[in-house]
Amino acid sequence: GAVVSQHPSRVICKSGTSVKIECRSLDFQATTMFWYRQFPKQSLMLMATSNEGSKATYEQGVEKDKFLINHASLTLSTLTVTSAHPEDSSFYICSATSGGEETQYFGPGTRLLVL
Amino acid sequence: QKEVEQNSGPLSVPEGAIASLNCTYSDRGSQSFFWYRQYSGKSPELIMSIYSNGDKEDGRFTAQLNKASQYVSLLIRDSQPSDSATYLCAVKDNAGNMLTFGGGTRLMVKP
Repeated sequence: GAVVSQHPSRVICKSGTSVKIECRSLDFQATTMFWYRQFPKQSLMLMATSNEGSKATYEQGVEKDKFLINHASLTLSTLTVTSAHPEDSSFYICSATSGGEETQYFGPGTRLLVL
Repeated sequence: QKEVEQNSGPLSVPEGAIASLNCTYSDRGSQSFFWYRQYSGKSPELIMSIYSNGDKEDGRFTAQLNKASQYVSLLIRDSQPSDSATYLCAVKDNAGNMLTFGGGTRLMVKP
């Protein structure tokens, strides 16, 4: 099946710093990638949708200047949390689809802790 | 606003029993339906997808879809303790690739 990786799996940073999370599709070309955030005991909340080579589409309430998304190639999307604060601590998960395929394949997630 | 509703549970069943997980959705334009399983601290993994009314079976899992009632369910036969997890229902419309997730149902299978 399709494999999506994320790096790092876990990151701890100081308040005010920026953190970059990578999402890679390993064995397929991901025309569309999605970024989700999940707080404890809650469901996944879509943050943004990115298509290769174009600007990401952000969901309502998600600050595009704080959560920078780059989808520069068909196998890589990055999410940069700028000036992170403790309330940004969460589980960030990416997913990817290929062409007209229906299924989203999820990465293993990145746990961010901002001190 | 598109909504996907699930009972949060926990749903507790004995080992070997059938677990029945339910999901309702608000958008009649929804075309694709997915069940994901999420273990604590892990990301979701796809169990089944279903697109047409009726039943779809895959091993111990059966997905059921009723578009008229806007209802989709997942049955797990011969439940095992390893099935204990949160099950997420996800719905996609025909306008794009975006999934709308339900809040998830926590299933506990007791030995």
